Amino acid sequence: GAVVSQHPSRVICKSGTSVKIECRSLDFQATTMFWYRQFPKQSLMLMATSNEGSKATYEQGVEKDKFLINHASLTLSTLTVTSAHPEDSSFYICSARASGGPGLEQYFGPGTRLTVT
Amino acid sequence: GEDVEQSLFLSVREGDSSVINCTYTDSSSTYLYWYKQEPGAGLQLLTYIFSNMDMKQDQRLTVLLNKKDKHLSLRIADTQTGDSAIYFCAESFGNYGQNFVFGPGTRLSVLP
Repeated sequence: GAVVSQHPSRVICKSGTSVKIECRSLDFQATTMFWYRQFPKQSLMLMATSNEGSKATYEQGVEKDKFLINHASLTLSTLTVTSAHPEDSSFYICSARASGGPGLEQYFGPGTRLTVT
Repeated sequence: GEDVEQSLFLSVREGDSSVINCTYTDSSSTYLYWYKQEPGAGLQLLTYIFSNMDMKQDQRLTVLLNKKDKHLSLRIADTQTGDSAIYFCAESFGNYGQNFVFGPGTRLSVLP
């Protein structure tokens, strides 16, 4: 099946620094990638939708200047958390939608656990 | 807006069947999904059903869709301890299924 990877799987950073998380579709091309955030014992909250070659669409309440998304190719999207603060600590999950094909399934990455100290 | 609801907890004994229920509000859903999340891990797609289907079976998993009542269920036959996880119901909608909404997740505990 389709595989989506994320790197890093875990990251600890100091408050005020920036962190970049990569999301890659390994064996398919993804015209659309999604970034989610999950707090402990809660469901996923969609942060933004990223289309290759165009600006990301952010959900209401998500600061686009703080969460920078770049979808530079059909297999790579990056999320940069700028000037991170402890409240940004969370589990970030990306997903990719395969272009073409019979289904419209999203394939999820394994997630990145960000801890800001 | 769109809303997906699930009961938050379910406990079953090993070997029994588990039934996880989900209700949704958007009648224009394109696909409905069941995802599994084990502790500290990402989401694993278990199965999905197109909105014009009533049932889908895949080995131990049976998905039932009642579109009239906007009710989706996931039945796991012969539940094993390895099935303990959080199960998320999700729907996609829009002309191309591009919008995605998750339920809060049901925590399934399998007792020996």
